[in-house]
Amino acid sequence: KNEVEQSPQNLTAQEGEFITINCSYSVGISALHWLQQHPGGGIVSLFMLSSGKKKHGRLIATINIQEKHSSLHITASHPRDSAVYICAVTNNDMRFGAGTRLTVKP
Amino acid sequence: DVKVTQSSRYLVKRTGEKVFLECVQDMDHENMFWYRQDPGLGLRLIYFSYDVKMKEKGDIPEGYSVSREKKERFSLILESASTNQTSMYLCASQTFPNQPQHFGDGTRLSIL
Repeated sequence: KNEVEQSPQNLTAQEGEFITINCSYSVGISALHWLQQHPGGGIVSLFMLSSGKKKHGRLIATINIQEKHSSLHITASHPRDSAVYICAVTNNDMRFGAGTRLTVKP
Repeated sequence: DVKVTQSSRYLVKRTGEKVFLECVQDMDHENMFWYRQDPGLGLRLIYFSYDVKMKEKGDIPEGYSVSREKKERFSLILESASTNQTSMYLCASQTFPNQPQHFGDGTRLSIL
């Protein structure tokens, strides 16, 4: 079993829909990261969090340390949000989930 | 902004060739990493380095080596390329452990 599990693997939504991507982990962590990878390949860091909730524009990330679970929410989704979203956890080194491929259709 | 530059976006090589993938960062970061990314598997750590001339094996080092002669440059070497090394390769740099890593755009390597 992977140390970091994401669901769903693939997600298709219509423009404007509210989207949730889930991440569960089985190891102790110092922080959890949400990353975004566009079709070109480059990865950018969206959030780093160790407790509670963070918001940036239409993106919201939450973490429940006791349940070892995090969610990434996208409100009012747009086709430009189409990308692979990757959950990663750190405790000295970084462990990655397999990613969730999101497609938002106009 | 941190800039991590990988020398090639796409590369095609033949089985048995020695392949060099170069990565340069411009923010004086101590830590640098090489990953490969395959469908359904996520990113897997090949090698990392916390200082010049220092290198540590990651989870899948077999068939690879690295070089860090200067702080800003971290090179990944495929000593004798094989078809199972066809993959997307990503380089990253980091200030300190547990801080966000900054990624390059990736090199899509095909071994024929």
